[in-house]
Amino acid sequence: SQELEQSPQSLIVQEGKNLTINCTSSKTLYGLYWYKQKYGEGLIFLMMLQKGGEEKSHEKITAKLDEKKQQSSLHITASQPSHAGIYLCGADPNTDSWGKLQFGAGTQVVVTP
Amino acid sequence: NAGVMQNPRHLVRRRGQEARLRCSPMKGHSHVYWYRQLPEEGLKFMVYLQKENIIDESGMPKERFSAEFPKEGPSILRIQQVVRGDSAAYFCASSLKQGGGQPQHFGDGTRLSIL
Repeated sequence: SQELEQSPQSLIVQEGKNLTINCTSSKTLYGLYWYKQKYGEGLIFLMMLQKGGEEKSHEKITAKLDEKKQQSSLHITASQPSHAGIYLCGADPNTDSWGKLQFGAGTQVVVTP
Repeated sequence: NAGVMQNPRHLVRRRGQEARLRCSPMKGHSHVYWYRQLPEEGLKFMVYLQKENIIDESGMPKERFSAEFPKEGPSILRIQQVVRGDSAAYFCASSLKQGGGQPQHFGDGTRLSIL
């Protein structure tokens, strides 16, 4: 089965600084989804990537999927306290199992003043 | 609120009791997914349902767990004879269609605690 490795496991960033989270797979990613989870709450959908080389941005968050479709990155520019939380990448394991998402372990982001 | 609604938010049960978790998908969504998040573990797929049909239950434990999504009403995840190891956060998600490119939208989850 496909495994998603997220790095780093956690990071502390000063408010206003940039940060990058990576999500790597041993197999081709057929659909890559980024979510944010706050402690004790549900997952908030951020972005979805499907095509090799695809890049999407929303406000200060940019997500990319590499050409080989095995690695994705999430970049936050000029971080704010509202960016704190756990970021999860999820993926469709193959084209026969749409919807059966597999998730990485998550990256905990702390934003300090 | 047009989001995925789960209830209860917190549920406490004693060992051997039954737990029923409910999920109402987003308006217009007919695809429902259940995931479990165990302490110190990641989010794991359990079951995927469409109205009145179980599409994929490969992540569901073979015993004590069942799920349904009736024609009318919410999807139900049922755990019989609960044990301590069932303590976890259970999340429901829904999507508009099946297939690639269909993001799942999650509810806030039900935190199940077994005494």
